[in-house]
Amino acid sequence: DGGITQSPKYLFRKEGQNVTLSCEQNLNHDAMYWYRQDPGQGLRLIYYSQIVNDFQKGDIAEGYSVSREKKESFPLTVTSAQKNPTAFYLCASSMAWNEQFFGPGTRLTVL
Amino acid sequence: AQTVTQSQPEMSVQEAETVTLSCTYDTSESDYYLFWYKQPPSRQMILVIRQEAYKQQNATENRFSVNFQKAAKSFSLKISDSQLGDAAMYFCAYRSAFAYGGSQGNLIFGKGTKLSVKP
Repeated sequence: DGGITQSPKYLFRKEGQNVTLSCEQNLNHDAMYWYRQDPGQGLRLIYYSQIVNDFQKGDIAEGYSVSREKKESFPLTVTSAQKNPTAFYLCASSMAWNEQFFGPGTRLTVL
Repeated sequence: AQTVTQSQPEMSVQEAETVTLSCTYDTSESDYYLFWYKQPPSRQMILVIRQEAYKQQNATENRFSVNFQKAAKSFSLKISDSQLGDAAMYFCAYRSAFAYGGSQGNLIFGKGTKLSVKP
């Protein structure tokens, strides 16, 4: 089945730790995106990538980093510089001019 | 910069009735795309319907239809014959048809409307 997978579903982080959220797609989409969702805030764009080995900062990139070494994969690292990382993280992909399809999300909690 | 506003944080509808969710947007562009996404309690984002700005005809998908008023920059979602499974957060989103430094395809979301369906 074609789709987008995100892992883990739930992730717990201690203060000062870096953690990496996985996002994989087998839809052969060129573009991939990371969003952060907080209660009452809607979705905010963290990073996006239109092609392999290239990515751009979104609206709230501080404290996050990404890589795009393969078309299918777009992992997001939440670094210790992100002061308030507790949130729901959604990954999406699309063919450049078409609608985005979303993964099931990862809930990150700081302990 | 473009913005999307959903003025109804919460809405409620009786099962089998019709409900309309509001969305307005601000843009100076002439060509763009508008979307409604549904996020049920599972938190999976699901595309409900899309509208292309250059098309006059309002999009429909089964029980879901939109009222697209380009001059008023309004894009409301009508859900007919509401079902319990329609209960979810609904997000309106905007996407430019133009590419700026590789940003094609980026969505701008409203803050969402939580829809409850009463049996």
